[in-house]
Amino acid sequence: AQSVTQLGSHVSVSEGALVLLRCNYSSSVPPYLFWYVQYPNQGLQLLLKYTSAATLVKGINGFEAEFKKSETSFHLTKPSAHMSDAAEYFCAGTLSGNTPLVFGKGTRLSVIA
Amino acid sequence: DAGVIQSPRHEVTEMGQEVTLRCKPISGHNSLFWYRQTMMRGLELLIYFNNNVPIDDSGMPEDRFSAKMPNASFSTLKIQPSEPRDSAVYFCASSRTSSSTDTQYFGPGTRLTVL
Repeated sequence: AQSVTQLGSHVSVSEGALVLLRCNYSSSVPPYLFWYVQYPNQGLQLLLKYTSAATLVKGINGFEAEFKKSETSFHLTKPSAHMSDAAEYFCAGTLSGNTPLVFGKGTRLSVIA
Repeated sequence: DAGVIQSPRHEVTEMGQEVTLRCKPISGHNSLFWYRQTMMRGLELLIYFNNNVPIDDSGMPEDRFSAKMPNASFSTLKIQPSEPRDSAVYFCASSRTSSSTDTQYFGPGTRLTVL
């Protein structure tokens, strides 16, 4: 069964610093992978998704993620953190369109001024 | 264009009472999902519908939980009787197609507190 693991339940960075949120998946078949963001008191919204078209995926708000099959990873990065990036980030994956999306536990990002 | 609408946004009730959560998906979307979010278990899929038909309810915790989708623009999640361990944020989401590779659009959630 497909599963995703997010390393670190809480990450804290300074404003302007690199953001790196880690996600690893477990499957023998390259899955479809997503990053969603949840701002306080809101629902989740899609940041970006990988559907095998390109290994480097660019999303909204300057975020991007790279699919690395050799490392079974799909880490999320942003070169320079803004205060407005403070939120909870969820990695999610599915093996195919017929299997439900599975979410990781989430990583809370704090940005320090 | 309106997003997914959920009501109420907050619900406080006493143990044993019936609770009904409501959801209006985005117009034209064919799939609807109900999730539960807690600190301990994260985001869990409870049930999802395709074209108003329940497809997978294996995530529904127990018989106290039931969900319906009488038409394409409305769904309910009911808990009867409610228990303190049901306290959580419940999200509804919709997507254009039935494929799980399609983007899901989430509502703002209903924060349920059972005393």
